[in-house]
Amino acid sequence: KAGVTQTPRYLIKTRGQQVTLSCSPISGHRSVSWYQQTPGQGLQFLFEYFSETQRNKGNFPGRFSGRQFSNSRSEMNVSTLELGDSALYLCASSLAGTSHEQYFGPGTRLTVT
Amino acid sequence: DAKTTQPPSMDCAEGRAANLPCNHSTISGNEYVYWYRQIHSQGPQYIIHGLKNNETNEMASLIITEDRKSSTLILPHATLRDTAVYYCIVRATIKAAGNKLTFGGGTRVLVKP
Repeated sequence: KAGVTQTPRYLIKTRGQQVTLSCSPISGHRSVSWYQQTPGQGLQFLFEYFSETQRNKGNFPGRFSGRQFSNSRSEMNVSTLELGDSALYLCASSLAGTSHEQYFGPGTRLTVT
Repeated sequence: DAKTTQPPSMDCAEGRAANLPCNHSTISGNEYVYWYRQIHSQGPQYIIHGLKNNETNEMASLIITEDRKSSTLILPHATLRDTAVYYCIVRATIKAAGNKLTFGGGTRVLVKP
């Protein structure tokens, strides 16, 4: 069974631009969560989607948004990019609304210049 | 979710058991203990979880104290590939909590030949 895939793997953007990252969960998984990892703040939860509905949201500004499609694939969008948005963005999928095991993708490395 | 405390780093000899401690003194009755690890530049990987009893799987063993205020992850025969950051996470696995994981600083484990 294929794992969690994230595209693109690497991305370079300029301040003020917007970016969309994609996550395809493991087949059959209905929950997708997004995390931001930076050297200074570590791994921080962004939001979680389950059955196309956002269930939880972390403490991030409204520039960060996401959505989930009917096939469980998810996208996250960051508008008006800032230098501090440079990070590794990880998504995790799990089978159900509350699962013990979550499976992480390899991440998208975003660099904002 | 209850807060966890882990040593920032530890070394381990290859082939020996690695014992990783975690304190979670404010854990609630419905909160599980989870362990994930992150090998450099990869997404976190689920290792094991437990509620009250000790647990073992093909990767590791989890020992939870009787009062549940601390736990130890045991890697029975550490290999160089076990070099990673190990995260201890406490989370209530209930519908309202969803699948959000709150990561702390983790323990950076270096397995030496």
